[in-house]
Amino acid sequence: QVQLQQWGAGLLKPSETLSLTCAVYGGSFSGYYWSWIRQPPGKGLEWIGEVNHGESTNYNPSLKSRVTISVATSKNQISLKLTSVTAADTAVYYCARFRWANNGYSFDYWGQGALVTVSS
Amino acid sequence: DIQMTQSPSSLSASVGDRVTITCRASQSINNYLNWYQQKPGKAPKLLIYAASSLQSGVPSRFSGSGSGTDFTLTINSLQSEDFATYHCQQSYSTPWTFGQGTKVDIK
Repeated sequence: QVQLQQWGAGLLKPSETLSLTCAVYGGSFSGYYWSWIRQPPGKGLEWIGEVNHGESTNYNPSLKSRVTISVATSKNQISLKLTSVTAADTAVYYCARFRWANNGYSFDYWGQGALVTVSS
Repeated sequence: DIQMTQSPSSLSASVGDRVTITCRASQSINNYLNWYQQKPGKAPKLLIYAASSLQSGVPSRFSGSGSGTDFTLTINSLQSEDFATYHCQQSYSTPWTFGQGTKVDIK
């Protein structure tokens, strides 16, 4: 059974850097893209970006200038860094596995989520 | 970016009802459309992928249909555990985008 476990700082001040890590347990790590997705309180889901085991990345253009997603294949972990945070970055952040099946990609496994609050 | 628009934004229903939620894409996405269920304080859960394929372990009362720009999620005989928020998501092109969500609550 695949499990994604996330951790990282939950309270930041404006202009600081958000840093989260997601560890994958069970199943294969290679052969998938691993994404970060966020959800501001009471709002919808926003895809931040993705990485695969070969360190190939794709980012949402709306956040690209501030985001770095990296992978530590030996540890089956991915990480998210978001620089210069503001209150607008307050959200629950999820990691998720992006898999191919039946001619379509979907997020089939998700981490438990981590609330990050930006406040002075 | 491909915009995903769900309707309605919320609905009230009773146990046993048939519920239909629609999702419209701003351009054709073939069948690259997924549906997720999210309960308060929990991560989304994949229900339907590739527009109409039922994810393993998901009850058969959930079904999806559509292609191109218009898609539908149907819940036959709504159960108490189905009261939640439902999100559609396109996997046709990056950035992957989601609808704003449809909250299903108890009438």
